[in-house]
Amino acid sequence: QVQLVQSGAEVKKSGASVKVSCKASGYTFTSYAMHWVRQAPGQRLEWMGWINTGDGYTKHSQKFQGRVTITRDTSASTAYMELSSLRYEDTAVYYCARRGIGVGINAFDIWGQGTMVTVSS
Amino acid sequence: QSALTQPASVSGSPGQSITISCTGTSSDVGGYNYVSWYQQHPGKAPKLIIYDVSNRPSGVSNRFSGSKSGNTASLTISGLQAEDEADYYCSSYMGSSTVIFGGGTKLTVL
Repeated sequence: QVQLVQSGAEVKKSGASVKVSCKASGYTFTSYAMHWVRQAPGQRLEWMGWINTGDGYTKHSQKFQGRVTITRDTSASTAYMELSSLRYEDTAVYYCARRGIGVGINAFDIWGQGTMVTVSS
Repeated sequence: QSALTQPASVSGSPGQSITISCTGTSSDVGGYNYVSWYQQHPGKAPKLIIYDVSNRPSGVSNRFSGSKSGNTASLTISGLQAEDEADYYCSSYMGSSTVIFGGGTKLTVL
């Protein structure tokens, strides 16, 4: 079945980097864009950026400019999101989400299970 | 702009209808027909329930409907059921390949 499986929970020190993976299965990986969305505890969803899994084009929210890197490995059907210079406020669940085909850019039809990233001082 | 504006909470009794609003600007909600709505139960990933303003993905109940007028989009849930109790988020395209979410609305079924 179509699914996105993310890597496990992470605990990082302030100032470190974290890299979250998102492995796709059940569909052609390069046919669908992949987005990253995070949610701090008890807070709203926050869009981070996306990657065109076909050609590697990326776009990030201005909020994360310079700190976030989104990549993909087409041979492994896996997308990655790396966030650097971590601070306490980056503690959140990080989701990958697939954009559907033939629909608006913000129509995410399949979501990963989420990866909890905890930043400690 | 940090987030689209949604009411923090709404409530309704079983069988009733409720509407959740999502207000943006002419640069996002008002400028494109790309508004999506997501339902999120506690501890779960969000689920797409409406895309492109008023379209329902396959498998989503027709009790959920979406619309838009000017800079405000709306999600209506009719025939409210206990399992509809969840958080609801709107999302809009902002141009330049970027996306914005709303602040979220907690729906309580009384």
